[in-house]
Amino acid sequence: AQKVTQAQTEISVVEKEDVTLDCVYETRDTTYYLFWYKQPPSGELVFLIRRNSFDEQNEISGRYSWNFQKSTSSFNFTITASQVVDSAVYFCALSEAHAGGTSYGKLTFGQGTILTVHP
Amino acid sequence: ETGVTQTPRHLVMGMTNKKSLKCEQHLGHNAMYWYKQSAKKPLELMFVYNFKEQTENNSVPSRFSPECPNSSHLFLHLHTLQPEDSALYLCASSQDQLAGGNEQFFGPGTRLTVL
Repeated sequence: AQKVTQAQTEISVVEKEDVTLDCVYETRDTTYYLFWYKQPPSGELVFLIRRNSFDEQNEISGRYSWNFQKSTSSFNFTITASQVVDSAVYFCALSEAHAGGTSYGKLTFGQGTILTVHP
Repeated sequence: ETGVTQTPRHLVMGMTNKKSLKCEQHLGHNAMYWYKQSAKKPLELMFVYNFKEQTENNSVPSRFSPECPNSSHLFLHLHTLQPEDSALYLCASSQDQLAGGNEQFFGPGTRLTVL
């Protein structure tokens, strides 16, 4: 069965530190999609990135970068030079691409990691 | 209005009340979702509608009743709720539930408190 694990429940850093949020997933599907969402205190989940299982290239967007490694079933998220505005709950999620998979057509979320960035 | 909107943002109700949550998406999407987010628990998918047809009911108690009159609107009717139903209820939409990897866009949620 599909599963997403975010082992870090809470992380606390000081502004300008780099921080990595871990995500490990399990799926039997050979084609799948991975996502990261940010949930600030306002409550709305904000989409950050989607990656399909055939694209293992790392991606960088400003201070954000993502490291996808199929060999370890991980999709980690790094924030460089963190800022107070990065404080939020971050969710990793998985969606399977083939009908019949229990995560087909829907997202399976991890538990989330609460990131607090102190000034 | 842009994106996904939800009303009300906060709701306090007694266990015998009947109320409804409303969600509207302005993205031209065809799939809409209800999630429940409780403290210390992962997001729980409740219902999915794709092209106005319900495609998922994740063993949700019958005191929660969804309605999707068109692809832009989604309601969650509530009656005789329990205190443990207090949570943040999030609505989301996507282009097509069954299109591979389509990202979901979320509304701000309704914070529900059941007394």
